[in-house]
Amino acid sequence: DGGITQSPKYLFRKEGQNVTLSCEQNLNHDAMYWYRQDPGQGLRLIYYSQIVNDFQKGDIAEGYSVSREKKESFPLTVTSAQKNPTAFYLCATAPYKAMRGDTQYFGPGTRLTVL
Amino acid sequence: AQSVTQLDSQVPVFEEAPVELRCNYSSSVSVYLFWYVQYPNQGLQLLLKYLSGSTLVKGINGFEAEFNKSQTSFHLRKPSVHISDTAEYFCAVKPSSNYQLIWGAGTKLIIKP
Repeated sequence: DGGITQSPKYLFRKEGQNVTLSCEQNLNHDAMYWYRQDPGQGLRLIYYSQIVNDFQKGDIAEGYSVSREKKESFPLTVTSAQKNPTAFYLCATAPYKAMRGDTQYFGPGTRLTVL
Repeated sequence: AQSVTQLDSQVPVFEEAPVELRCNYSSSVSVYLFWYVQYPNQGLQLLLKYLSGSTLVKGINGFEAEFNKSQTSFHLRKPSVHISDTAEYFCAVKPSSNYQLIWGAGTKLIIKP
């Protein structure tokens, strides 16, 4: 069964903690993305990766970190430096470098709440 | 700088009535255009996209959109909505010279019985 999985579905974090959100895909897609979604603001790009061992900052990378050690996996760490991390986080993939009009495919999301 | 404007944050419409969700963009280069749908607490799903060719694009669930280059618009339409169309709809633009999608703020479609 092909697709994108994100875990956990819900995550609660205490202030000052780092947490890691998982994103795994078996679509054999090259490009992977992390977005943050807040009500009424659309999607904002945090990080993206086009190939293994390479990634670039998006528009709101401060307070976040990523790694891309395997093609299938693109975990996102929300660090204590992120001042307002409560949001819905979406992982997406695209077939090939996404320079063309390739569709981005989305996972089901992780809802992070800071207590 | 490129930007995407979805003119309505919410659109209420009666079941079986037609609907249009508006999207305008600004870009100095050619673009690819997308509409995505998001059901509550879920990820996004592609409805349709325009890459080139015919400016009228048909998508899933009976939706269609028309690319108007002179008006820099890509409005989404459906002739008759159903209660299951209740969702948030996002317009996105990808400049041909860029890897990133630029997103609108979204329009919530509210279907009234």
